[in-house]
Amino acid sequence: DVKVTQSSRYLVKRTGEKVFLECVQDMDHENMFWYRQDPGLGLRLIYFSYDVKMKEKGDIPEGYSVSREKKERFSLILESASTNQTSMYLCASSWSTSFRGSGIESTDTQYFGPGTRLTVL
Amino acid sequence: AQSVTQPDIHITVSEGASLELRCNYSYGATPYLFWYVQSPGQGLQLLLKYFSGDTLVQGIKGFEAEFKRSQSSFNLRKPSVHWSDAAEYFCAGARSNFGNEKLTFGTGTRLTIIP
Repeated sequence: DVKVTQSSRYLVKRTGEKVFLECVQDMDHENMFWYRQDPGLGLRLIYFSYDVKMKEKGDIPEGYSVSREKKERFSLILESASTNQTSMYLCASSWSTSFRGSGIESTDTQYFGPGTRLTVL
Repeated sequence: AQSVTQPDIHITVSEGASLELRCNYSYGATPYLFWYVQSPGQGLQLLLKYFSGDTLVQGIKGFEAEFKRSQSSFNLRKPSVHWSDAAEYFCAGARSNFGNEKLTFGTGTRLTIIP
């Protein structure tokens, strides 16, 4: 089974603090993603990475940065946390069809971690 | 722009009753479509996916979904719900399954089951 783990289930931080959210996957997936989930807005993509040291902005990258130094680990960084970043953060990973070829089993089905509920006071 | 719409924010059904959750998509070509479920306090779990071929897709936990191009829909169904099906359900779409294709999620439908 694919396993995606996130470093914390619950996190409370103060405004202005630097916050690190860690995500690790054990399936040798090329792609990794960070989403935030807010009521009534669904999941919105913050950043994603399709290879080590590669990253691309998603739909709402402002106020966030990411780091991917190893294939299995993808970190989300809030340089200076603000109250409007209080949210549920979900990490996901998937294979990359461009590396593994097309086909049902190699599609970009994303596997999710349990989430980190971050509260910024 | 590509989008996925879930028109129902909240649905309540009785245990044992049938269920249909609606999903509409807006893509230029046939998209890749997914249904995920999120139980309270959990991450998202894939229920089923559609890429091509048979328009009726079977998933886990007794769920199925039907792709209807004429209606731009991919509705999720279950003939008889169980109390454990209470959760939030997300429809998602992508333009392809290549490389770095991003998923676009709907806003979710919260399902409540009453005894």
